[in-house]
Amino acid sequence: AQTVTQSQPEMSVQEAETVTLSCTYDTSENNYYLFWYKQPPSRQMILVIRQEAYKQQNATENRFSVNFQKAAKSFSLKISDSQLGDTAMYFCAFITDKLIFGTGTRLQVFP
Amino acid sequence: EAGVAQSPRYKIIEKRQSVAFWCNPISGHATLYWYQQILGQGPKLLIQFQNNGVVDDSQLPKDRFSAERLKGVDSTLKIQPAKLEDSAVYLCASSHDPGMETQYFGPGTRLLVL
Repeated sequence: AQTVTQSQPEMSVQEAETVTLSCTYDTSENNYYLFWYKQPPSRQMILVIRQEAYKQQNATENRFSVNFQKAAKSFSLKISDSQLGDTAMYFCAFITDKLIFGTGTRLQVFP
Repeated sequence: EAGVAQSPRYKIIEKRQSVAFWCNPISGHATLYWYQQILGQGPKLLIQFQNNGVVDDSQLPKDRFSAERLKGVDSTLKIQPAKLEDSAVYLCASSHDPGMETQYFGPGTRLLVL
């Protein structure tokens, strides 16, 4: 079965600090894409960052970067210089033939 | 570029009633998805369309849920009759192509069944 595990239901970080959200996944496929999506309270889900499994280089998008460890099936998200607007649910997901989501990590950024 | 549009944003119904949700994908996106997101969980795929054909509806409870995308653009998702456990957010997403393309999500319809 294809699964995504986010072991941190909730996390908090002070503004301007760095936080890392964990994600592990399980698939027997070799070709897939990984995503982090952000879902602010009562707002729509938006793409934060995307990683192709065949690429060894970790994806980076401004303050957001990933640590992709294919052998360990690990895909963590690092948010640098956290901002109040980063407060949201963060979902890790991967896709082979369909998009599979984890249960999410609720991130609270404090002033 | 306009994003994925959904309506209504909120709906409250009583069990055994019927309800319909509407989605308009990003212009030019051939692939459309409906997801169900129960509180505290990640979204789960209900059905995937490629143009006006169904690609995957294996997770759709077909005894009560139906969906269509007649002209390959807008889509409707219907629940009839609704059950208490159908209370959830229903998300529509679209992508330019099927497969491993990035999916773009709409704001969702929050359904409460009493």
